[in-house]
Amino acid sequence: GAVVSQHPSWVICKSGTSVKIECRSLDFQATTMFWYRQFPKQSLMLMATSNEGSKATYEQGVEKDKFLINHASLTLSTLTVTSAHPEDSSFYICSVKGRESYNEQFFGPGTRLTVL
Amino acid sequence: GQNIDQPTEMTATEGAIVQINCTYQTSGFNGLFWYQQHAGEAPTFLSYNVLDGLEEKGRFSSFLSRSKGYSYLLLKELQMKDSASYLCAVRDRGYGGATNKLIFGTGTLLAVQP
Repeated sequence: GAVVSQHPSWVICKSGTSVKIECRSLDFQATTMFWYRQFPKQSLMLMATSNEGSKATYEQGVEKDKFLINHASLTLSTLTVTSAHPEDSSFYICSVKGRESYNEQFFGPGTRLTVL
Repeated sequence: GQNIDQPTEMTATEGAIVQINCTYQTSGFNGLFWYQQHAGEAPTFLSYNVLDGLEEKGRFSSFLSRSKGYSYLLLKELQMKDSASYLCAVRDRGYGGATNKLIFGTGTLLAVQP
């Protein structure tokens, strides 16, 4: 399977600042990347789907101007949480899928965001 | 709409067998996945079913009945390290078949006791 990394693994920021989270597919051409959010004791909620070179598709209720997603290459996608607030504190997880991995998504280790 | 139900918590004994059930409702079913997730970590893939029947993979087996909207994950010879959350996820084709996104259940927290 693919090896997926996320950076940073955890981040603490002040309310009102922006935070960028990177998702890298180390050995795999990720034609599609997904961003999920997971609140404590809850399941993963899909935020958006991005295909390499095109604009991300956001799920209902997810503000595209607040959660900026860039999928610039087959190995890198970034999620920027703009003007973060305490309610944005969550576990953010990316996953990748390639043309050959129809049946499986490979997940990154996640990024724990805490907004003070 | 889309809905996935799993029990919230289960407890089992080391060496025993446990079955975790999942029921789902979705308009564009295109496969069901089971993932294991330890606290603070990302999910790891366990199994995939798209046709009815049982898929066996070592100590783990997964069953699917599409007509009943039902699946279960069977864990045999339980070990302490199997204590984790088990997530049922349904792949939905979405509008026009273009999406194929995963919709996760809330997960079942399994505690394996000595």
